[in-house]
Amino acid sequence: QVHLVESGGGVVQPGRSLRISCAASGSGFTFSYYGMHWVRQAPGKGLEWVAVMSDDGSNEYYADSVKGRFTISRDNSKNTVYLQMNSLRVEDTAVYYCAKDVNSGSPPSWFYSWGQGTLVTVSS
Amino acid sequence: DIQMTQSPSFVSASVGDRVTITCRASQGVDSWLAWYQQKPGKAPNLLIYVASSLQSGVPSRFSGSGSGTDFTLTISSLQPEDSATYYCQQAKSFPLTFGGGTKVVIK
Repeated sequence: QVHLVESGGGVVQPGRSLRISCAASGSGFTFSYYGMHWVRQAPGKGLEWVAVMSDDGSNEYYADSVKGRFTISRDNSKNTVYLQMNSLRVEDTAVYYCAKDVNSGSPPSWFYSWGQGTLVTVSS
Repeated sequence: DIQMTQSPSFVSASVGDRVTITCRASQGVDSWLAWYQQKPGKAPNLLIYVASSLQSGVPSRFSGSGSGTDFTLTISSLQPEDSATYYCQQAKSFPLTFGGGTKVVIK
């Protein structure tokens, strides 16, 4: 069983930066075997995939809405994935979930386990 | 990008009813489709993958079917705990995309 815990959310002004994290744990779970995603959900809205990084960090993909502003990274020694968010916009306001891929993260797949989410609010 | 369109966006049904939700892809995704259930304030939960495979621990009243562009999620006998929003997601290509969601409420 995988346990994912996001942290680092909060209120930030438009144009500023924020980095959120997701720590993974679980017996029998080897973090470095799996791709890790970020998925977000604006208040009262549907799900939007944001980014993925493959198991070994060699591949990363982004939604067009965040490309060039957000960067996903991971530290397999710490079982942690990060999302660096720059040039934040009001429309980036959302709950950000990290999610574990079924496989390595590339090719595409689905989301096997999810964290509880961290709220990022972009407001002046 | 592959657009995913769900219908209906809202369903009101009684306990024991059969509920069907449809998901249509803007281009073929073979069987690379998943379904999720999300309850208010909670993270989504994987129900179905590869269009028709039931995730471990998911009740057998849930089933999925379809391939190519047209897919269906069926709840054979609606239960009170099935009140939730359901999303489809294509896994054919990046960027991964979700349908807009279907909210299921119990009458």
